Amino acid sequence: EAGVAQSPRYKIIEKRQSVAFWCNPISGHATLYWYQQILGQGPKLLIQFQNNGVVDDSQLPKDRFSAERLKGVDSTLKIQPAKLEDSAVYLCASSQLAVKNIQYFGAGTRLSVL
Amino acid sequence: AQRVTQPEKLLSVFKGAPVELKCNYSYSGSPELFWYVQYSRQRLQLLLRHISRESIKGFTADLNKGETSFHLKKPFAQEEDSAMYYCALSTIYGQNFVFGPGTRLSVLP
Repeated sequence: EAGVAQSPRYKIIEKRQSVAFWCNPISGHATLYWYQQILGQGPKLLIQFQNNGVVDDSQLPKDRFSAERLKGVDSTLKIQPAKLEDSAVYLCASSQLAVKNIQYFGAGTRLSVL
Repeated sequence: AQRVTQPEKLLSVFKGAPVELKCNYSYSGSPELFWYVQYSRQRLQLLLRHISRESIKGFTADLNKGETSFHLKKPFAQEEDSAMYYCALSTIYGQNFVFGPGTRLSVLP
C-alpha cells in the first residue's frame, strides 16, 4: 500500500512570500489532516477534512493560512504571506473513515522562512 | 480545551532496564489516547491506542482516568526503542487531536 505523499520535501522562502504544500493521502482514506510541527514541539493540528468538508479548523490562522481538498482526495495548504514564525515541518496525515483514529503520516515538508 | 503534557524531554535508560514514559492529559469528556513514535529518519507512526488494549513491541499503556494519565511502559528496553515518543488525545469522535511535546528515549548499550 502506498503511503501518504507530500511535496515538496523542503522549501525556503523569504517573509511575505507565498508558499503551497501538496498532499496525496492513502487511497480510500476519507479523513485528511494537516499539522504544523515547530522544532522541539509536538504536531499541532491545523485542519481536519472529512472527504472534502472541513471537520475542524479551529487552530488554522485563517488570515494567512488556507487549505482545500477538492474532490475529497488530495489537498493543498497555502500560506500567504509567510512570517518568520511559520518556519516548521508541515505534516499531512490520513485515516480511513471507519477506523479514523489510526493516522498515517507523510514525510512532511520542511519550511524555512528567512 | 484539551491538553497533553509529557514532563520529560529526554529519557535515557540502559538496555534491559525498564522504561516508563509519562503522559498526563486534561479533557472534560471521555478521551481517546494514543502513543505515536518517530524513529530516526522515519515517519511518525502509531504505536498503540488505549481502546485496543494491546501490547506492541513489548510496550503497554494503561489509561488511568482518576490520575488522567496514560503512561507508556516496557519491562526491558532495547536499543531499537530509541526514538521520539508522542502522547496524543482526541475526542471519541476522532476530532480535536492534540499531541504532547514528546519525549526522546535513548536506550544506551
